[in-house]
Amino acid sequence: DQQVKQNSPSLSVQEGRISILNCDYTNSMFDYFLWYKKYPAEGPTFLISISSIKDKNEDGRFTVFLNKSAKHLSLHIVPSQPGDSAVYFCAASARVYGGSQGNLIFGKGTKLSVKP
Amino acid sequence: DADVTQTPRNRITKTGKRIMLECSQTKGHDRMYWYRQDPGLGLRLIYYSFDVKDINKGEISDGYSVSRQAQAKFSLSLESAIPNQTALYFCATSQASRVDGYTFGSGTRLTVV
Repeated sequence: DQQVKQNSPSLSVQEGRISILNCDYTNSMFDYFLWYKKYPAEGPTFLISISSIKDKNEDGRFTVFLNKSAKHLSLHIVPSQPGDSAVYFCAASARVYGGSQGNLIFGKGTKLSVKP
Repeated sequence: DADVTQTPRNRITKTGKRIMLECSQTKGHDRMYWYRQDPGLGLRLIYYSFDVKDINKGEISDGYSVSRQAQAKFSLSLESAIPNQTALYFCATSQASRVDGYTFGSGTRLTVV
């Protein structure tokens, strides 16, 4: 059963508008969430993260929101640029015995297309 | 040079052949991972290693084996390749004490014909 779900395989937005990518999770033990960005022919690269003790983290044009009660997080990109066109993966992890962070569990990804 | 290097970048092999994908890292991370990416299925974990003597199966380990030759090297083998192992394979590294995620290699595109 999928623990991290990205229900939208694709999203298309106009340049300059807001892109909102959504992610849901089922495991209440997850305490750290990340977004990765992947261009074709490249490996995924870390974009932004959020700890479960926060509900918002912002880095330039990128903001991640976490709603723990709904087990939902979202990535907002404002304003969207054509260079943001990529596949975005949501990922989550939980602390394991000994206090270290466990393996990342990835969603299936959402392909974002930003049209000029 | 890249922090995480995967070789080869592309490979076409025949059904039944043994093939090895290699990964090396210069980040000094203790943990290494192998993932495969298939369209519509995202990234799925094949094997992971927390140090040289600690190797664990991921969610889709059947048909694969791994070797952690050194702290910096982690190889993935397909003992007898089959067409449904055609995929994009990624190696990743992380540091146990850090929570800021993984560093991925650029991937190996494997085609089994």
